[in-house]
Amino acid sequence: RKEVEQDPGPFNVPEGATVAFNCTYSNSASQSFFWYRQDCRKEPKLLMSVYSSGNEDGRFTAQLNRASQYISLLIRDSKLSDSATYLCVVSGSSNTGKLIFGQGTTLQVKP
Amino acid sequence: NAGVMQNPRHLVRRRGQEARLRCSPMKGHSHVYWYRQLPEEGLKFMVYLQKENIIDESGMPKERFSAEFPKEGPSILRIQQVVRGDSAAYFCASSAQDNSPLHFGNGTRLTVT
Repeated sequence: RKEVEQDPGPFNVPEGATVAFNCTYSNSASQSFFWYRQDCRKEPKLLMSVYSSGNEDGRFTAQLNRASQYISLLIRDSKLSDSATYLCVVSGSSNTGKLIFGQGTTLQVKP
Repeated sequence: NAGVMQNPRHLVRRRGQEARLRCSPMKGHSHVYWYRQLPEEGLKFMVYLQKENIIDESGMPKERFSAEFPKEGPSILRIQQVVRGDSAAYFCASSAQDNSPLHFGNGTRLTVT
């Protein structure tokens, strides 16, 4: 089983739609969780950290379910500029601080 | 307030040559990570270093690849005797401490001909 798994998509949605991505992780001891965004052929950029109580940043909401070992990202009112690959990131199985990236979920927002 | 600096941006090597990729972390960051991304694939962890120490190299191929982060100067990822399969984007990232978010450099795109 992969340490971090995401549905690769692509998700094709119209502008204004709400879209949700899920990500599962295998290590129950993981402590740190993030969502990154990667545009084509560019470096990943931090979108938001994910906290136990859930957190929101504008149109983006992240949630963590430790019991089921998954995290989610909800994007409301999708914009064309949201088109990108969204990477789920989880701290690794060792205690070395290594972060493990999922393969990413591709979102394409269409006019 | 410079971010993570990687160079070169693009590197072309013939099979059998050596490739050296450099990474200077963000100011104040002492943790450096190297990731590799093959075309149409996700980021794969390679190695995690702190100053003068390799903390986790579980993602590094056993042969031809090495990494260092000396007391002075940038971190170096070295690939000896490159093969076509080494062609990829190599991203360096840094953080201030364990489990903190990573900040990525622009990457080095290695092409082996």
